[in-house]
Amino acid sequence: NAGVTQTPKFQVLKTGQSMTLQCAQDMNHEYMSWYRQDPGMGLRLIHYSVGAGITDQGEVPNGYNVSRSTTEDFPLRLLSAAPSQTSVYFCASSYGIGSSYEQYFGPGTRLTVT
Amino acid sequence: DAKTTQPTSMDCAEGRAANLPCNHSTISGNEYVYWYRQIHSQGPQYIIHGLKNNETNEMASLIITEDRKSSTLILPHATLRDTAVYYCIVNNQGGKLIFGQGTELSVKP
Repeated sequence: NAGVTQTPKFQVLKTGQSMTLQCAQDMNHEYMSWYRQDPGMGLRLIHYSVGAGITDQGEVPNGYNVSRSTTEDFPLRLLSAAPSQTSVYFCASSYGIGSSYEQYFGPGTRLTVT
Repeated sequence: DAKTTQPTSMDCAEGRAANLPCNHSTISGNEYVYWYRQIHSQGPQYIIHGLKNNETNEMASLIITEDRKSSTLILPHATLRDTAVYYCIVNNQGGKLIFGQGTELSVKP
């Protein structure tokens, strides 16, 4: 298994541009989520999905959209990039949605907005 | 979710056991204790989790006090590759993990 994969690894955007961060998993996991990590801080939840067609907001959803058309993919879309969205973005997945399921994280996408 | 308190940083000698404490005095009965670690610039890695009983796997042991208000992650024989930030998380909302600042563990030769 490749696990959780993310593309691109690095991205530079100008203010106002839009883009999509890709996330895929090959473990048939129902639950997927997106986090952002700012320098020196812990991860914060942006959006999550408990299955295909079902998404919900996390702690910091503003400025981001998500969709889940398949079990494998969970893209994160930045609508109009702002410098405050400069961060490292991690995608994660887990087998179930209960509290006893560990999450598997991707390698991250490092985004800079100028 | 209950909050956790961890030391900001710790040092450990290579080959020795690393004992990382975590306080979670407001934990509720259905909240699990999870440990993840993040090696520099990489995605977090799951280590271990438990509810009431002590747990052990190939990476570490988790000791939870009887009142569940604190726990200790034990890396039995720390190596240089164990240098990372270790996050203690208490969770009852499935995937909605709330990360704090964690403990920066430095394993020294």
